[in-house]
Amino acid sequence: NAGVTQTPKFQVLKTGQSMTLQCAQDMNHNSMYWYRQDPGMGLRLIYYSASEGTTDKGEVPNGYNVSRLNKREFSLRLESAAPSQTSVYFCASTKTGVRLNQPQHFGDGTRLSIL
Amino acid sequence: GDSVTQMEGPVTLSEEAFLTINCTYTATGYPSLFWYVQYPGEGLQLLLKATKADDKGSNKGFEATYRKETTSFHLEKGSVQVSDSAVYFCALITQGGSEKLVFGKGTKLTVNP
Repeated sequence: NAGVTQTPKFQVLKTGQSMTLQCAQDMNHNSMYWYRQDPGMGLRLIYYSASEGTTDKGEVPNGYNVSRLNKREFSLRLESAAPSQTSVYFCASTKTGVRLNQPQHFGDGTRLSIL
Repeated sequence: GDSVTQMEGPVTLSEEAFLTINCTYTATGYPSLFWYVQYPGEGLQLLLKATKADDKGSNKGFEATYRKETTSFHLEKGSVQVSDSAVYFCALITQGGSEKLVFGKGTKLTVNP
């Protein structure tokens, strides 16, 4: 059972470089999310997509863009990476949305370092 | 805004000890409450949940009771094992609100043999 798959698992970038983090789920879930996890900060929501074709900002969207390519895939793009974006990034999905108490299924994370 | 406060870690226990991780919340609506667990190198997994006052969530020997009067959702386990070593996150979602699941900062638990 693949669940939520994130690629890459690790990445090192230089300041100013761009990159896209990929996320795919095979559970036919409608809602998908991107979080970042920083020491002492817990998880903070960057963007989410409640359904295919829609995206909305979370708590910390600045410096990021997202694309809900289809129902399965939800990508996160850093256009010009900054050291403050060094973090562990998690993608998650739910069947019908957290408002209906659906549990979130998480990927294993992407560890991103910006030099 | 909505927020979750967890006890600061790290917490270190011996195997078979009793565990309590405190969690309190502030919410504008009537929230549902969750505990997630993150094992080393992995993403978060739902451990248990409670959706209304006095509900008790339980899973894998862990329990938490939704206490509206004290706005708390403390996690407990009677006898921890080495395999319980992980980071534990308390979280809430406000019913009828947005899709934003609010997490606490996490509490790292280490259980020694």
